[in-house]
Amino acid sequence: QVHLMESGGGAVQPGGSLRLSCATSGFTFSTFGMHWVRQGPGKGLEWVAFIRFDGSNEHYADSVKGRFTISRNNSENTLYLHMTSPSPEDTAVYYCVKDGGRTYYDFWRGGYSPLYYMDVWGKGTTVTVSS
Amino acid sequence: DIQLTQSPSSLSASLGDRITISCQPSQDVRKYLSWYQQKPGQAPRLLIYDSSILEPGVPSRFSGSGSGLHFTFTISSLQPEDIATYYCQHYYSLPPSFGQGTKLEIK
Repeated sequence: QVHLMESGGGAVQPGGSLRLSCATSGFTFSTFGMHWVRQGPGKGLEWVAFIRFDGSNEHYADSVKGRFTISRNNSENTLYLHMTSPSPEDTAVYYCVKDGGRTYYDFWRGGYSPLYYMDVWGKGTTVTVSS
Repeated sequence: DIQLTQSPSSLSASLGDRITISCQPSQDVRKYLSWYQQKPGQAPRLLIYDSSILEPGVPSRFSGSGSGLHFTFTISSLQPEDIATYYCQHYYSLPPSFGQGTKLEIK
């Protein structure tokens, strides 16, 4: 059974830093991309970042680009999110989410392109940015 | 970036009612859209993917349809345990995005 468990949340001051971790089990971590998704208090869901299965490529939401870094350790089956220069707007529950590893055939490109399908979610860890 | 317009933002219905939620992407996402259920204090739960395919274990009163620029989520007969917020999400391209959510309440 696939299991994702986030940790590392807590209180952080604006301009500080925090590293979130996501321990995974029940699947071959090194063969799947991973996402972070967040949800501010009383707000909807916001995709934050994605990393390829081998760590060779990362993508970020504009709201966190240049401040947050997604990374992974495939030998320890662990995903990370390093948050720097957080602001109160980054206060949220942060979810670790497994990508489904699916593709579709892109006729325009003449090849297969990735889908960013999220199939398993962790329970989340809460980050509060406040002075 | 593809925006998802989800409506209504809230919905009050009686037990046994049929309810429908709409999700309209700003660009064609083919069939690549999911629906999630989220209860307070819990992580989202994937109910439907590829527009209409139910996740294993999801009751058959839930269904989805649509493609391209218009999708629909339906609960055929509302049950007490269905009270939650529902989100659509596309996964066709980066960034994947979510609808604003529909909060479902009992009338």
